Amino acid sequence: GAGVSQSPSNKVTEKGKDVELRCDPISGHTALYWYRQSLGQGLEFLIYFQGNSAPDKSGLPSDRFSAERTGGSVSTLTIQRTQQEDSAVYLCASSWRGWRVGGSDTYEQYFGPGTRLTVT
Amino acid sequence: LAKTTQPISMDSYEGQEVNITCSHNNIATNDYITWYQQFPSQGPRFIIQGYKTKVTNEVASLFIPADRKSSTLSLPRVSLSDTAVYYCLVGAATGGFKTIFGAGTRLFVKA
Repeated sequence: GAGVSQSPSNKVTEKGKDVELRCDPISGHTALYWYRQSLGQGLEFLIYFQGNSAPDKSGLPSDRFSAERTGGSVSTLTIQRTQQEDSAVYLCASSWRGWRVGGSDTYEQYFGPGTRLTVT
Repeated sequence: LAKTTQPISMDSYEGQEVNITCSHNNIATNDYITWYQQFPSQGPRFIIQGYKTKVTNEVASLFIPADRKSSTLSLPRVSLSDTAVYYCLVGAATGGFKTIFGAGTRLFVKA
């Protein structure tokens, strides 16, 4: 089936504008994750959803960042009043709840291609 | 969440076996060890996961000693296309948890 998709693939915005990034997870995956990756750096965890609920929002960098997930599927990450330091690739991933499948536990996260955000 | 420590970078040549070791001294009883691979301009891709002893799949092997305070990802006979960043993660096996990737190990495979 289809993998994780993200849109847009690239976004250039002016400082101070709001942006919305979208993630379509793999159908049936109950867990969804957002990460941020600056050039040449590792992944920075932002938030995860279990169903429509986000139990831990501590990874969001500031109150300008928010995320929601509806219907246990699509998620949007919104950045208000963008700043230049928000420029990065935003990655979304999804996974099964992780119960034993085929005799072995799996915690595999499937990643989308990312959205490259540039704030000018 | 258990913190992980990996070498920042490693060099190798085509055809060699590469072993990347990850330290996770504070691993919890329920934690699994998972490795991901990331190529430039792509999201990470799952390589292998294990709990103890040895796990092998078509891509790699994962060696975990009895105390589980470290693990070693072994890539047999690497090729140029194995040049990537490799991340070691430690956490619960069930999905839907905060996950910390760390800086990873940049592997350079030379001809």
